[in-house]
Amino acid sequence: SAVISQKPSRDICQRGTSLTIQCQVDSQVTMMFWYRQQPGQSLTLIATANQGSEATYESGFVIDKFPISRPNLTFSTLTVSNMSPEDSSIYLCSVVQDTVSYEQYFGPGTRLTVT
Amino acid sequence: GENVEQHPSTLSVQEGDSAVIKCTYSDSASNYFPWYKQELGKGPQLIIDIRSNVGEKKDQRIAVTLNKTAKHFSLHITETQPEDSAVYFCAASIVETSGSRLTFGEGTQLTVNP
Repeated sequence: SAVISQKPSRDICQRGTSLTIQCQVDSQVTMMFWYRQQPGQSLTLIATANQGSEATYESGFVIDKFPISRPNLTFSTLTVSNMSPEDSSIYLCSVVQDTVSYEQYFGPGTRLTVT
Repeated sequence: GENVEQHPSTLSVQEGDSAVIKCTYSDSASNYFPWYKQELGKGPQLIIDIRSNVGEKKDQRIAVTLNKTAKHFSLHITETQPEDSAVYFCAASIVETSGSRLTFGEGTQLTVNP
């Protein structure tokens, strides 16, 4: 499976600021996704990162709050904008390598605390 | 949209016993059902998956069963070991049309007591 890294691994940020999270994969992948996992809870899909075009957002998530880029087949960024304490979560990048198996693999996550 | 329910939320077993986690889904079009194990401070790890054209799949001590008619699927872990302790998530997807967008259950905290 693909090796996925995320930067930063964790951060503590002030409310009102923005943080950009990077996701790097060691091989080209078909699909990339961003999920949020609030403390002690399940995973919720934020958006599908589309290469070279605007991301596809799930209900309840908007581009102004969570702008996403995917310039190529191995890299994506998620920005959490104008943060509030409610944004404190783990943000996870995931990838699907091929559309035969559709197996989806997750990165280690970025633990964000907003004070 | 798809809704996935997972039970139990917590499960405690003795080492060597079996553990079973059950999930139900709402969308009969769902055709891909992965299971993830998440250890503290780590991302979810894919441990096994099953497709709607298969009723059962096994990989060493782990097995998954799928009942399409009843819209439920289960994870079975045999001969549990302390290192199996983690949070387990089930998920469902319609891979061809939803582009692998996964809907997750709420998770099961499994504790294996030595």
